[in-house]
Parts: sequence; structure tokens; C-alpha cells
Amino acid sequence: KAGVTQTPRYLIKTRGQQVTLSCSPISGHRSVSWYQQTPGQGLQFLFEYFSETQRNKGNFPGRFSGRQFSNSRSEMNVSTLELGDSALYLCASSFWTGQGDEQYFGPGTRLTVT
Amino acid sequence: QKEVEQDPGPLSVPEGAIVSLNCTYSNSAFQYFMWYRQYSRKGPELLMYTYSSGNKEDGRFTAQVDKSSKYISLFIRDSQPSDSATYLCAMSPMNAGGTSYGKLTFGQGTILTVHP
Repeated sequence: KAGVTQTPRYLIKTRGQQVTLSCSPISGHRSVSWYQQTPGQGLQFLFEYFSETQRNKGNFPGRFSGRQFSNSRSEMNVSTLELGDSALYLCASSFWTGQGDEQYFGPGTRLTVT
Repeated sequence: QKEVEQDPGPLSVPEGAIVSLNCTYSNSAFQYFMWYRQYSRKGPELLMYTYSSGNKEDGRFTAQVDKSSKYISLFIRDSQPSDSATYLCAMSPMNAGGTSYGKLTFGQGTILTVHP
């Protein structure tokens, strides 16, 4: 089975611009979560989508948004980029084991804001 | 205070050593516990997953959970240079229906180096 794929792998943007990142989950996985990873804050949860609905959201400003399509693929968008948004953005897809969720991560998109 | 505390290290051990990695947590709602390994410039890779107190073994890896002490550990036996990576503990509560609704809370990660 193919793993979680994320595109693009690297991005350089300027302050004030917006960016869209894409994630394709493992086949059969219906839940997609997004995380931001920085050296200072570590891995922080952004939001989770299941069957095209946002089920959970972390403590990030409204500039961070996402969506999920009927084929479970997901996108996240960051508007009005700030220098502090430079980070590795990770997508994870998960399935229900009957006792809990197992989350599998993609390679990430490294975003640099200048 | 962070919900999950993990010593960032760095931890350096000789090949063949037993490695012990630990996390403490403060949220009693956490019911699922995971360990991830992350190589430089890669995404985290799921190593171990457990939802109950006690030990779970998988090859050279043993995950240990003590819910009464809010303490989890990962032991690596016969460590190899290829084990050199950052190890992240993660945990989540059990919501209605048993799902975490995607939200994992991570420790800061421990940087491990196994030298030949």
C-alpha cells in the first residue's frame, strides 16, 4: 500500500502571500489530520477531517484552514503568511483499529516564509 | 506546564546498548499512547501503539505504560546506528466512540545517537 503523500515537498513564500498544501491519505483511510512542526513548539495539532467534515481543531488562528474532498484527499490553506509560519507541515491519515486510531504521517511540506 | 513532558536529550549510546526513553503526562484523559521515530527531514514513523497499562513488545522495542504514575517508556534493546533519530511520544484521549478525533499531543522529542 502506498503511504501518505504530500505536495509540494518544499515551498518558499513571501510575507502576506497565501499557500495551499495538499495531502493524499493511505487508501481506505478516511481521517486526515494536519500538524505544524517547529523547533521551538514541536508538533502541534492543526485540525482533523473525516468524511469531508472538520471534526476537531487546534489552537491556531483563522488564517489556517483546511478541507477534505470526497476521495479523502485534503488541502490546508494559510492566508496572509507571517514569518512565524515557517515550519514543516505534516499530514497524517488514520484508521480505526477497533480500540483506537493509528495515525501514519507523510513526509511533510517544508514551508519557508521570507 | 506542557501536558506531555519529554527530555530532549541529546542521548548518545554505544552500539548494542539498551536505550530507555521516557515521557510524563498530566492529562488523565489520555488513553492511547504511541511512540514515533523521526529521521532528519522525514515524517514521523509509527513504532509502537498501546492503550493499556503494562508492557507491549515488538522485536527490539518494548513500550511500557503506567497510567497510575502518568509515565510511559520505550526501551530499545541491542541498539544500532540505524536507530539514531528523534523519538517522539504521543498520546490522545478516548472520546465517544473510541476515536481521538485526530488530535495527538506530542512530547518535544528525544534526540538519540547510537555510535558504532
